[in-house]
Amino acid sequence: QKEVEQDPGPLSVPEGAIVSLNCTYSNSAFQYFMWYRQYSRKGPELLMYTYSSGNKEDGRFTAQVDKSSKYISLFIRDSQPSDSATYLCAMTPRAQKLVFGQGTRLTINP
Amino acid sequence: DGGITQSPKYLFRKEGQNVTLSCEQNLNHDAMYWYRQDPGQGLRLIYYSHIVNDFQKGDIAEGYSVSREKKESFPLTVTSAQKNPTAFYLCASRPGTGGRETQYFGPGTRLLVL
Repeated sequence: QKEVEQDPGPLSVPEGAIVSLNCTYSNSAFQYFMWYRQYSRKGPELLMYTYSSGNKEDGRFTAQVDKSSKYISLFIRDSQPSDSATYLCAMTPRAQKLVFGQGTRLTINP
Repeated sequence: DGGITQSPKYLFRKEGQNVTLSCEQNLNHDAMYWYRQDPGQGLRLIYYSHIVNDFQKGDIAEGYSVSREKKESFPLTVTSAQKNPTAFYLCASRPGTGGRETQYFGPGTRLLVL
């Protein structure tokens, strides 16, 4: 079983929809959680960074961490075609290597 | 303009050849990382370095080698021992002690075998 599980999709939604992306994990030592966005043939760019449990909002993006359920989510409101990309979750205990999910490929249809 | 640069963007390798991928950062970050990404897969760690003149193997180090002679540079050599080198290679860096645990990525190098 992988330490971090992420549905690879693909996920296709109409423009303006609310998108929900999720990852589950098995290592209870994970404390730092990240979401990266990766456009085709580009390097990943950091989208959201969260420490421990709770919510964090940045514009149209909200990251949620539920450590009791070992479950993290990324919500995208008012989705735009420019949000079409692969979204990678990543996590780490502390000062150690990141563990990445497989990535979910998202397409927003105009 | 601070950031991470990788070169070349595309690289072609012939059978039995060693090739070196360049990674340079001017962010003054202590830690640097090399990942391999295959289609439909997440990132797999090849090597990492937390300090100059020191580096550690990641999960898939066989067939690869690195050096860290300068803080800003972390080149990766794909040796002839790597039998399936075709992939997208990503370099990343992290501030280090006291900084956030996030890593920042370069634009990547796509390696193809002729």
